[in-house]
Amino acid sequence: AQSVTQLDSQVPVFEEAPVELRCNYSSSVSVYLFWYVQYPNQGLQLLLKYLSGSTLVKGINGFEAEFNKSQTSFHLRKPSVHISDTAEYFCAVTPAGGGGADGLTFGKGTHLIIQP
Amino acid sequence: ETGVTQTPRHLVMGMTNKKSLKCEQHLGHNAMYWYKQSAKKPLELMFVYSLEERVENNSVPSRFSPECPNSSHLFLHLHTLQPEDSALYLCASSQRTGRGELFFGEGSRLTVL
Repeated sequence: AQSVTQLDSQVPVFEEAPVELRCNYSSSVSVYLFWYVQYPNQGLQLLLKYLSGSTLVKGINGFEAEFNKSQTSFHLRKPSVHISDTAEYFCAVTPAGGGGADGLTFGKGTHLIIQP
Repeated sequence: ETGVTQTPRHLVMGMTNKKSLKCEQHLGHNAMYWYKQSAKKPLELMFVYSLEERVENNSVPSRFSPECPNSSHLFLHLHTLQPEDSALYLCASSQRTGRGELFFGEGSRLTVL
């Protein structure tokens, strides 16, 4: 079984400042890692994913994340945030090579609040 | 239409009512999922269908009954729900042989009175 911990339930940041949203996971097997974003009154949209290879992955809207196996972390970063980045961000994992029908295990989410 | 479509977007029902949530995907995927999203809690995986067969049922109460008539459609039948069942119900789809990426609908907001 896998678990995901997002330590920060809310992160307030000023516009144009950098931000890091933290994600740690626990698993006895190799995993694929994901970050999803949920804007108000909408479903979840994939931001980026780590499957294998380079530990630094780039996603949409200027976001990137770094996989750190030794620290079992997959933190999300953006060098300069905009008002439009205000949303809920979810980290998720699934067993690697599991056939794609295992579903994702999600963290509780981090609410990113951009202050003007 | 493209992507994953859920109807209705909003539903209010009494505890004795029977209603259904519908999900349709236009992505050619062969796995579909129901998730429950409650405030301050992680998304909870409720059901997984792969090639129209249920492959997972995470101890969901029997008052929730899923149905997957084909690879493009997924239903969640609701009966005698409780107020604590009020939540956002999200449908998602993926390729069974894919790498775990899920595509989500916008959700059905359910309120049980």
